[in-house]
Amino acid sequence: DIQMTQSPSSLSASVGDRLTITCRATQDISNAVAWYQQKSGKAPKLLVYAASRLGSGVPSRFSGSGSGTDFTLTISSLQPEDFGTYYCFQDNTHPWMFGQGTKVEV
Amino acid sequence: QVQLQESGPGLVKPSETLSLTCTVSGVAIRRHFWSWIRQSPGKGLEWIGYKYYSGSTKYNPSFESRVTMSLDTSKNQFSLTLTSVSGADTAVYYCARVQNYDFSHYYFDSWGQGTLVTVSS
Repeated sequence: DIQMTQSPSSLSASVGDRLTITCRATQDISNAVAWYQQKSGKAPKLLVYAASRLGSGVPSRFSGSGSGTDFTLTISSLQPEDFGTYYCFQDNTHPWMFGQGTKVEV
Repeated sequence: QVQLQESGPGLVKPSETLSLTCTVSGVAIRRHFWSWIRQSPGKGLEWIGYKYYSGSTKYNPSFESRVTMSLDTSKNQFSLTLTSVSGADTAVYYCARVQNYDFSHYYFDSWGQGTLVTVSS
């Protein structure tokens, strides 16, 4: 199975900060990566798919990049509503797999 | 817009069968793939499997011997059955719509709110 390792596992940040979360796959997965945001007690929400394509209605401060084994999610200017947990996801190879999550706190 | 709502028992006894239903509104389920994903308390997300109305099905090998997914196009619902449950199956279960891009890649674009299933005697 392909494992997805996110770093960091958690971080503290302030409104206005530029944030980068990384995700590393144990094998080449091309650009088959999506990123999700989850707030406490809620379902995850799609942010990015195909490594760099923004989901419908997602603010432009979110961006994704990468291919092969290394991927990043960047938030250009952190907003109060951006706090929560972020997950990467790969669908290149079965079983589809999520990363363990990165918790973004104040 | 598409809406998904999970339903089913919140408590299941060990060794018994967990059965959940996802009711979809806003789109015909025959038009998409559909998945179940779960999240154990305080843990990350785990993909269980997907199903398409044509019969195309894929399960995570971690569940393959215990899981069945099915679609009811007349009710616009899809369902999850997980047999021989244990405490490790206690989790919030989500149903999600699967979108396709570039022919062979997928992502989840719409999710239900999730339903907590506790396995306990």
